Amino acid sequence: EAGVAQSPRYKIIEKRQSVAFWCNPISGHATLYWYQQILGQGPKLLIQFQNNGVVDDSQLPKDRFSAERLKGVDSTLKIQPAKLEDSAVYLCASSPDGSGTMRGYTFGSGTRLTVV
Amino acid sequence: GNSVTQMEGPVTLSEEAFLTINCTYTATGYPSLFWYVQYPGEGLQLLLKATKADDKGSNKGFEATYRKETTSFHLEKGSVQVSDSAVYFCALSGYALNFGKGTSLLVTP
Repeated sequence: EAGVAQSPRYKIIEKRQSVAFWCNPISGHATLYWYQQILGQGPKLLIQFQNNGVVDDSQLPKDRFSAERLKGVDSTLKIQPAKLEDSAVYLCASSPDGSGTMRGYTFGSGTRLTVV
Repeated sequence: GNSVTQMEGPVTLSEEAFLTINCTYTATGYPSLFWYVQYPGEGLQLLLKATKADDKGSNKGFEATYRKETTSFHLEKGSVQVSDSAVYFCALSGYALNFGKGTSLLVTP
């Protein structure tokens, strides 16, 4: 089966600009996650979707970050305006259902964002 | 809340050496435990998992045993290869997966 697709792979923007990342999960996977991985740290959950509904966005900086999952398939994560500390790899993951926390997720290759 | 603590790296080993990467956890209830691996320039890949106490996860020569009494899930491999050079993350289930900070492994010929 095809894996989790993310684009772009790399993005360089200036601070205060906006940026968007796209994720296409594995076909049929109901649960989708966005993680932020800052260099030298482990991934941190930003938001979790179940189909097209938000399950957990408690760690999403809502003053600048937003995410949506229209029709319960693809998802977009946006940052507006970006700050230097947003430089990180943004990882998308999916699982067939909420049991992903028991069985593990499948991750995409990530989008490396550099804010200058 | 649920969290994991990994040994800090980097860890440098010669090929065919024995590997141990320590991971301890704090959790309520009975979480599942995971090891993920991240090769240079790639995304996270699930290496192995264990879903209950005393379970042993294994894959590609790597093993880890879910020890409830010591709240640990140490990763081991008997003979590492250069191709094992990567960053290894311990994780446990909560509302979502919670990851440790990662341990970088470099294996030299």
